[in-house]
Amino acid sequence: EAGVVQSPRYKIIEKKQPVAFWCNPISGHNTLYWYRQNLGQGPELLIRYENEEAVDDSQLPKDRFSAERLKGVDSTLKIQPAELGDSAVYLCASRTTGMNTEAFFGQGTRLTVV
Amino acid sequence: GDSVTQMEGPVTLSEEACLTINCTYTATGYPSLFWYVQYPGEGLQLLLKATKADDKGSNKGFEATYRKETTSFHLEKGSVQVSDSAVYFCALGGAGKSTFGDGTTLTVKP
Repeated sequence: EAGVVQSPRYKIIEKKQPVAFWCNPISGHNTLYWYRQNLGQGPELLIRYENEEAVDDSQLPKDRFSAERLKGVDSTLKIQPAELGDSAVYLCASRTTGMNTEAFFGQGTRLTVV
Repeated sequence: GDSVTQMEGPVTLSEEACLTINCTYTATGYPSLFWYVQYPGEGLQLLLKATKADDKGSNKGFEATYRKETTSFHLEKGSVQVSDSAVYFCALGGAGKSTFGDGTTLTVKP
């Protein structure tokens, strides 16, 4: 079974440019997360989807970040415009519904803003 | 809010040494507790979990016991191998949310 697939793996952009990340979760997983992981730190939640509904986006910087999961499957995270401080690894994870199920992570997209 | 505190790293051990990575948490309710591992160049993957007090999670020789009285979930292994070199993250979760610690880097030397 395929795991969580993210693309691209690496992205280097100049500040003020837009960037988008794509995630394909494990088939059948209703819950999808986007996390940001800064160097030397643990993942921090940006947004959580239950199917196509964003149920927790309280940590998403909405002035420049946006996300969508239109059909409740694939998801896209966008930053526009990017800032130097956005350099990080952006992780996507998915899980099935249930209190104690674990999340499965993709390999992440490493973003460098120069 | 919920939080997880891990012992600061990095941790460097010789092969076959004993490992303990401390993890304590603050949470409302009764979360599930997890240890994730991140090998170089790879994504996070679940190492073990425990869903209620006194549960012991185990996998690949690693163990951790959910201690409600001390709000802890320390990761232990009796004999580490070079292949265990990775970053280890303690996390708590429940009802869809997950909160992660900052990770502890383990390096095992032959």
